[in-house]
Amino acid sequence: GGIITQTPKFLIGQEGQKLTLKCQQNFNHDTMYWYRQDSGKGLRLIYYSITENDLQKGDLSEGYDASREKKSSFSLTVTSAQKNEMAVFLCASSPDWGGYYAEQFFGPGTRLTVL
Amino acid sequence: GEQVEQLPSILRVQEGSSASINCSYEDSASNYFPWYKQEPGENPKLIIDIRSNMERKQIQELIVLLDKKAKRFSLHITDTQPGDSAMYFCAASNQGGSAKLIFGEGTKLTVSS
Repeated sequence: GGIITQTPKFLIGQEGQKLTLKCQQNFNHDTMYWYRQDSGKGLRLIYYSITENDLQKGDLSEGYDASREKKSSFSLTVTSAQKNEMAVFLCASSPDWGGYYAEQFFGPGTRLTVL
Repeated sequence: GEQVEQLPSILRVQEGSSASINCSYEDSASNYFPWYKQEPGENPKLIIDIRSNMERKQIQELIVLLDKKAKRFSLHITDTQPGDSAMYFCAASNQGGSAKLIFGEGTKLTVSS
């Protein structure tokens, strides 16, 4: 088994602030993902990465940057936090892509509130 | 971008009855369709999935049906229990040579006793 940890668990920011969220996984999975989930809504893909130093845009990449520093970690940066923004950011990982879909395992999430 | 439509958004059933959630997708090349369950305050967890070489899959009380021609798939929970109350998300693979899944908007299922 393995685990995905996300830090911080709660993040409170100010409008215009640059905020960084971190994700670590010890599954040794190749692919990692960042999703945004608004209250009671579905998951929207922000960025994903199929290997170290790879970065692929999702549908919601505008306003975000990401970095896959090493296989086990994937960080997400909100480049300029929007006032009254509230959402949960979920990190996920899955085994080797290789054209064969496999289960995505999700972390516990980071809850962002922008004042 | 590609979309997955999921209906209904809210579903209330009595304990012991069946619950059905329907999803439709756009990309005819999609070949993997997972279902995730998310309980309040928790992260989504895979409960069942189906690949395009199958039309039906069952794991205990969960049944997934896939109609590739109509580009529709559905989750059926038989003999629902209060513990089945949660958000359910369908997803479809996005073939375009990527590792992406496209998620539906979710269905909030409430099972009352």
